[in-house]
Parts: sequence; structure tokens; C-alpha cells
Amino acid sequence: DTEVTQTPKHLVMGMTNKKSLKCEQHMGHRAMYWYKQKAKKPPELMFVYSYEKLSINESVPSRFSPECPNSSLLNLHLHALQPEDSALYLCASSQEDRAGNTIYFGEGSWLTVV
Amino acid sequence: DQQVKQNSPSLSVQEGRISILNCDYTNSMFDYFLWYKKYPAEGPTFLISISSIKDKNEDGRFTVFLNKSAKHLSLHIVPSQPGDSAVYFCAASATYNTDKLIFGTGTRLQVFP
Repeated sequence: DTEVTQTPKHLVMGMTNKKSLKCEQHMGHRAMYWYKQKAKKPPELMFVYSYEKLSINESVPSRFSPECPNSSLLNLHLHALQPEDSALYLCASSQEDRAGNTIYFGEGSWLTVV
Repeated sequence: DQQVKQNSPSLSVQEGRISILNCDYTNSMFDYFLWYKKYPAEGPTFLISISSIKDKNEDGRFTVFLNKSAKHLSLHIVPSQPGDSAVYFCAASATYNTDKLIFGTGTRLQVFP
């Protein structure tokens, strides 16, 4: 089972709102990720948590704030977003094995900023 | 600088025939390669991977070939089915930074009856 669960599936928010995206995995994976994907583009890495510590921040604006409450949960707090932040936000997780690090994605949260 | 490239934005194949999706990379430090399939409005689904110590990996209808000297990999789907119609992304990572997966731009595969 390689399931990563994301909520909500769809979110519409105003530019002054504060909202959060949530992600959960119960595979015991040591790393969790946030990616952003715009239409007809590949996923772009935003943040990586490894063993619950932020290990990669790809110069993401501070209006996006990640949080890893425990090894199974990952949140993305959103505040004062812009319309251009509208995108599919993908959570993922991974556990390295001998071959390499296979990253498994959730179904994504569609965000529309109005 | 696009380190992973998929030069064909789209591919159309008849059902039952072979689909060949190609991917090129520039970073010689990449040593793990993956293919993902993505339907609209869904997250990417992991299909198959290959480590640089191998040149071929097979899983059912899917086979990935790696040519390290040419920095080229390909995904073969045989036989192609209409349900294979999706966008396919190749991705690569390096041992020194396994969490940083670099994606190609994707190839839209359409399998017609």
C-alpha cells in the first residue's frame, strides 16, 4: 500500500484568507514533501521534511508555511496568497531503499486563489 | 537549465502496439530514474524505476531502458491500452541528494483503438 492522503481536494480562498492543506501517510516513510504543479508543467519541489525536520526549502515565499506535527502528518499553511499561486499542490512521501528513493504522491489539492 | 528533458510533448499510438517514451538527462551524477504517469486532476502515480547499476528493468507491460553513455532512458509499454492514455513524466535523482527529484516536462500519450 503506497497511499498518501490529502485534504481538501479542492480549496477556493481569497487573498486575505488563512487556510491549510493537510497530508497524511501511514507507511512509516521518513520523508514527506510538498510540490506545486501548474497546468502543463512538471511538479516543482517546494519543501522536504526528513525525520520531521525541514531539510529542503526551495526558496518558497513566506506566504507558504510548512509544518510537520509528527512523522505521519504534513501541513501547508497558506496566508495572503496571490492569484498566481493557484495550482495543484501535491504531497508526497518516501522511504529510501537499496535501489534509490522512490517518491509516492497523493492525489493533490486543487487551490484557487480569488 | 533543464536537466531532464522529454523532447516529445505528445505521442499517439494505436492500441496493441508499442509505445516508446524517451527521456534525456544532462547531469552525470543522476543515478536513479523513475517514470510517473499522471491523469488530469490526479497526482502522479509511480510506474517503474531503474538504478544506474542496471540497464533494463521490467514490470509487466512496462520496461525501462537506461543508456548511461548516452544519458538516455526510455519507457516501453507493450501492448499499449487505451487506459494508458495519460501524461508520462520521467524523473531523476542523485545519491548525494536523493530527496531532490528532477522532473522532465512530460509526454502526453494517447492510445487510440
